[in-house]
Amino acid sequence: DSGVTQTPKHLITATGQRVTLRCSPRSGDLSVYWYQQSLDQGLQFLIQYYNGEERAKGNILERFSAQQFPDLHSELNLSSLELGDSALYFCASSVSGLQSEKLFFGSGTQLSVL
Amino acid sequence: ELKVEQNPLFLSMQEGKNYTIYCNYSTTSDRLYWYRQDPGKSLESLFVLLSNGAVKQEGRLMASLDTKARLSTLHITAAVHDLSATYFCAVDMTGGGADGLTFGKGTHLIIQP
Repeated sequence: DSGVTQTPKHLITATGQRVTLRCSPRSGDLSVYWYQQSLDQGLQFLIQYYNGEERAKGNILERFSAQQFPDLHSELNLSSLELGDSALYFCASSVSGLQSEKLFFGSGTQLSVL
Repeated sequence: ELKVEQNPLFLSMQEGKNYTIYCNYSTTSDRLYWYRQDPGKSLESLFVLLSNGAVKQEGRLMASLDTKARLSTLHITAAVHDLSATYFCAVDMTGGGADGLTFGKGTHLIIQP
């Protein structure tokens, strides 16, 4: 158990809908990352937050947004969902977001868009 | 654009054998990471390599980094079935500040008794 908690574990929804994925980092970790894993694209970095502020942005679509709250949990919002958004979404956390740190990954949210 | 290539992508081997997974990347970086993912599970950090010539070992796994060749290797010694998993290398390309990792496609390793 990495200590990173993601909910829900599975999500099935329809095209055009909006969903919210939630992540609670390890106790004491200030930095949260979101990654998307799909068969065709592999693991792709979406976005990073540190202590409530956006720190880095990767291949995140405009239809997607995220935030980190004062209690350090994070939410990833996916809107106007398309079939191609079906993927496993991982949250990871680290203490301070430095490049030398290990990332601790949650168990992921499997999103299926039908 | 940073590209990270692993080979092989699939590997089936017998217990007791040695093998090496290769990770090449396309731009200057002195930080490389290895992760393991079991089927249906999350990613587990194995090694963080932070400088040229870095070598780290844990159990039957040893990772090394050659930043001049832009190459990292993950060597498996006397493989056992429990090491069956998908192994990812990942690189970050920025100097200073934080950024996301760029992952390879993963090496799916099956170790047969």
